[in-house]
Amino acid sequence: GENVEQHPSTLSVQEGDSAVIKCTYSDSASNYFPWYKQELGKRPQLIIDIRSNVGEKKDQRIAVTLNKTAKHFSLHITETQPEDSAVYFCAASKSSASKIIFGSGTRLSIRP
Amino acid sequence: SAVISQKPSRDICQRGTSLTIQCQVDSQVTMMFWYRQQPGQSLTLIATANQGSEATYESGFVIDKFPISRPNLTFSTLTVSNLSPEDSSIYLCSVVSGETQYFGPGTRLLVL
Repeated sequence: GENVEQHPSTLSVQEGDSAVIKCTYSDSASNYFPWYKQELGKRPQLIIDIRSNVGEKKDQRIAVTLNKTAKHFSLHITETQPEDSAVYFCAASKSSASKIIFGSGTRLSIRP
Repeated sequence: SAVISQKPSRDICQRGTSLTIQCQVDSQVTMMFWYRQQPGQSLTLIATANQGSEATYESGFVIDKFPISRPNLTFSTLTVSNLSPEDSSIYLCSVVSGETQYFGPGTRLLVL
């Protein structure tokens, strides 16, 4: 079955700097790669996703890149703000309507 | 989007007992899933709740321990049976609406 690895497990960046979280997946049949943000005590919320027919997608300060050949995908957050502090999960799935397998999560802290 | 509610929001149970968690969605959805999130960990898929048929369980999860019902397209229950302290966790249902997977608020279970 699918296996998703995520790095780093913790990340601390200065406010205003960029943060990058990287993931790899094992199943070449995966075609959908969502990213979820989970604040303390809250449910996971989708922040951005990418499908295998594109290599990059951007939404304001957040961007995702996908290298399907290498089975790598990454989340980039620019101009980080205190409200970006949370746990971020990458995930992989065969489609947006299929079961999702999650990475282990990255705890992002933004230093003032 | 989908509005998902879960009952109970939290519970404390004695070992050996069972807890049934309800998940209600405000619209009909085809795909519904149950996840477990142990303290400080990622989300692990327990099973896919299939309407009108038996749930599809992931490796390491069995029907005797985690029976699931899905009587219609807006409702599902997950029972955690024969509770042990290792079952202390947050249990979340999720649904696919449009092309996005949304999560319920979770049920926080503590087993003593």
